Amino acid sequence: DAGVIQSPRHEVTEMGQEVTLRCKPISGHNSLFWYRQTMMRGLELLIYFNNNVPIDDSGMPEDRFSAKMPNASFSTLKIQPSEPRDSAVYFCASQTPGVGTGELFFGEGSRLTVL
Amino acid sequence: GQNIDQPTEMTATEGAIVQINCTYQTSGFNGLFWYQQHAGEAPTFLSYNVLDGLEEKGRFSSFLSRSKGYSYLLLKELQMKDSASYLCAVPPRGGYQKVTFGTGTKLQVIP
Repeated sequence: DAGVIQSPRHEVTEMGQEVTLRCKPISGHNSLFWYRQTMMRGLELLIYFNNNVPIDDSGMPEDRFSAKMPNASFSTLKIQPSEPRDSAVYFCASQTPGVGTGELFFGEGSRLTVL
Repeated sequence: GQNIDQPTEMTATEGAIVQINCTYQTSGFNGLFWYQQHAGEAPTFLSYNVLDGLEEKGRFSSFLSRSKGYSYLLLKELQMKDSASYLCAVPPRGGYQKVTFGTGTKLQVIP
């Protein structure tokens, strides 16, 4: 079975450029999460969706960050304009429906470097 | 919100037992998660504790004391492949999906 699929795996860009990260959750999972991981701050929750609807975006650092989920099989995280401090690994994760252990299934991550 | 405290790094010997502690403060309690993350890879789920006590799963066990705001992950018969970061996470009450992790504990297993 395919897991959570993220693209690109690596991106290097210059400050000021727009960055779009993509995620395809596991089929049948109705919750999707975007995380950011850095050495200093660890793994931080940015935003999550249930049934394609954003539930909590309080972790989004600022207005330069936006996320969408137009359908059950696709989500994007956009940074515009990007800054060097946005350099991090961005993970997407999906979760099975219903209340349970709440196990998160993570994608392989997108490593972003902003020069 | 939630505050999580774990040691930054630990070193243990192959074949030995190691205990990774996690203390937390949360506005509510809705279970505690442990995840494993190998360098350069995605985190993977290890365990979920919602009741006090020890839960065993093969070589790994997880313990929870809600009154003390304390958990530990116990790894037995350590193998070199257990070298990884171990992340403790506590979602808030009413927000079981809002799982936020800290920086975790980086475990190095040496021969």
